[in-house]
Amino acid sequence: QKEVEQNSGPLSVPEGAIASLNCTYSDRGSQSFFWYRQYSGKSPELIMSIYSNGDKEDGRFTAQLNKASQYVSLLIRDSQPSDSATYLCAVNSMVRGNRDDKIIFGKGTRLHILP
Amino acid sequence: DTAVSQTPKYLVTQMGNDKSIKCEQNLGHDTMYWYKQDSKKFLKIMFSYNNKELIINETVPNRFSPKSPDKAHLNLHINSLELGDSAVYFCASSQQGGYTFGSGTRLTVV
Repeated sequence: QKEVEQNSGPLSVPEGAIASLNCTYSDRGSQSFFWYRQYSGKSPELIMSIYSNGDKEDGRFTAQLNKASQYVSLLIRDSQPSDSATYLCAVNSMVRGNRDDKIIFGKGTRLHILP
Repeated sequence: DTAVSQTPKYLVTQMGNDKSIKCEQNLGHDTMYWYKQDSKKFLKIMFSYNNKELIINETVPNRFSPKSPDKAHLNLHINSLELGDSAVYFCASSQQGGYTFGSGTRLTVV
């Protein structure tokens, strides 16, 4: 069974600090990695995607990928109260050779930014 | 314009009933999905269709039947509803990269 593991939290971070969210995955064949943000009662929203080893930065968000360690992380700089949400790590699992056929989600990490 | 729209947003029904959830996307994506999010917020894939062809059918009871009349629509019909079917059902679509989700349908079986 291919799995994506996350610490469920809650992770409490003071406003203005860096929030660090981590994820490990079991399928070595995975090629696409995503972070989604889900506010309570809302649908998941894609905030970052990463496909190659290293860092990818977008505004206050940085995604980090290490395929050898099967590890993905998300850093949120200058954390704001509006960043309080559940963050879902998602990893593709190939079906019939199409990398987009299936995405497996972790159970999410609840992040709470303390004002 | 809403990219992925689901109806209804809320659905309350009795055990044993049959119900349908509809999904439409206007993004021109080839692939559509149904995901179930349970009370513990775990998001699990149920089905996917690529251009009207069923690609993924996870271990979902036969009471759940997806139908895709065209690549912009993916509906979910559920027969003989059970208490354990209560959850939020999300439709999503993708072309390449991440998914775009609909707003979800909260199904409550009483």
